[in-house]
Amino acid sequence: GDSVTQMEGPVTLSEEAFLTINCTYTATGYPSLFWYVQYPGEGLQLLLKATKADDKGSNKGFEATYRKETTSFHLEKGSVQVSDSAVYFCALIENSGGYQKVTFGTGTKLQVIP
Amino acid sequence: SAVISQKPSRDICQRGTSLTIQCQVDSQVTMMFWYRQQPGQSLTLIATANQGSEATYESGFVIDKFPISRPNLTFSTLTVSNMSPEDSSIYLCSVRKGPGAGNTIYFGEGSWLTVV
Repeated sequence: GDSVTQMEGPVTLSEEAFLTINCTYTATGYPSLFWYVQYPGEGLQLLLKATKADDKGSNKGFEATYRKETTSFHLEKGSVQVSDSAVYFCALIENSGGYQKVTFGTGTKLQVIP
Repeated sequence: SAVISQKPSRDICQRGTSLTIQCQVDSQVTMMFWYRQQPGQSLTLIATANQGSEATYESGFVIDKFPISRPNLTFSTLTVSNMSPEDSSIYLCSVRKGPGAGNTIYFGEGSWLTVV
């Protein structure tokens, strides 16, 4: 079945450091890929998405490129801020047998210190 | 996009009681989804709520414990029945919008339940 694997956290970075959160997936077809962010005490917000190979999703300085050859969708940001401290979830949607299957990663907690 | 409102946002509940969570979407959707997120964990799908039919429950979740209503295309409720401390979680309402594989998942703000 489908799966999403994220790097374990917590990830602790100093402000203005470069961020990479790894995400790899397994799927039988051609899924759409997503990153969601959950700030402390809040629900999940869509951060960015990509629907086909080589697409790059971007938002708020974050980027992720859909790499079919490596089945990856790593999240990157050039310079993190304290306000980026949150839990980040990688997810995929795949059409399977006439319905859509959604799979979430386990989440990666990011702590940015001043 | 979709704007999803949930009520209550937080509650502290007594063991053995039941609580109903409401979810309102700003547009009509065919399917609404209910997830549970236990502390420090990822999301687990509880059930899919279709308008005009019974909800479809995932393995490990039953209607007696989590009854769901879906009276129209913009509203759903999830009841957590006979609560125990193990039910302390965030409960999230979700919809999907967009065509085919371009669908995007949108979430409500979550209902944070603590059972004491």
